Amino acid sequence: NAGVMQNPRHLVRRRGQEARLRCSPMKGHSHVYWYRQLPEEGLKFMVYLQKENIIDESGMPKERFSAEFPKEGPSILRIQQVVRGDSAAYFCASSPPANYGYTFGSGTRLTVV
Amino acid sequence: EDQVTQSPEALRLQEGESSSLNCSYTVSGLRGLFWYRQDPGKGPEFLFTLYSAGEEKEKERLKATLTKKESFLHITAPKPEDSATYLCAGSNTGNQFYFGTGTSLTVIP
Repeated sequence: NAGVMQNPRHLVRRRGQEARLRCSPMKGHSHVYWYRQLPEEGLKFMVYLQKENIIDESGMPKERFSAEFPKEGPSILRIQQVVRGDSAAYFCASSPPANYGYTFGSGTRLTVV
Repeated sequence: EDQVTQSPEALRLQEGESSSLNCSYTVSGLRGLFWYRQDPGKGPEFLFTLYSAGEEKEKERLKATLTKKESFLHITAPKPEDSATYLCAGSNTGNQFYFGTGTSLTVIP
């Protein structure tokens, strides 16, 4: 029973490029959450999605960031025109419906050069 | 503002030296207080959920407790393999967790 799968593990992008981070939830989990962890800071909530729906995006930056969780396939966190300040570890978590606990993936470490 | 504060930022213990990590929270309508362990380069690993003041949970050398304002993670006779960053998080909706910045624990053999 595979856990939450995130890829790539490491991603290097030049300023102005696009970054696409993928997350496959655990089997049976239909809720996906994205968090960002900046150096020396705690995990910050970004967005909560269910299949084909964004439920809460109150933590998403207003520009350049978007997320989706299509009917088929992984959840995608997309960052357009990346800047150095986007360098961070991005973690995805999933949970089953009506369950009060997350399982986290191993994260994608984005470096913008 | 809903937030979680952890102390100390870092803790060094000799193997076998028991101690406690603190998590203070101001999360309105708290529905759950969570403890996670995070190893370098990895995602957080779930340890405990506490739902109400007075609740305690134990797992091996770890025990988590909850009051109306704070939670403690007690580590009894720690071993080097307990070295990690311990994260505390509170939630009032079940959707969004408010994480502290963690306590980095180092256990010296």
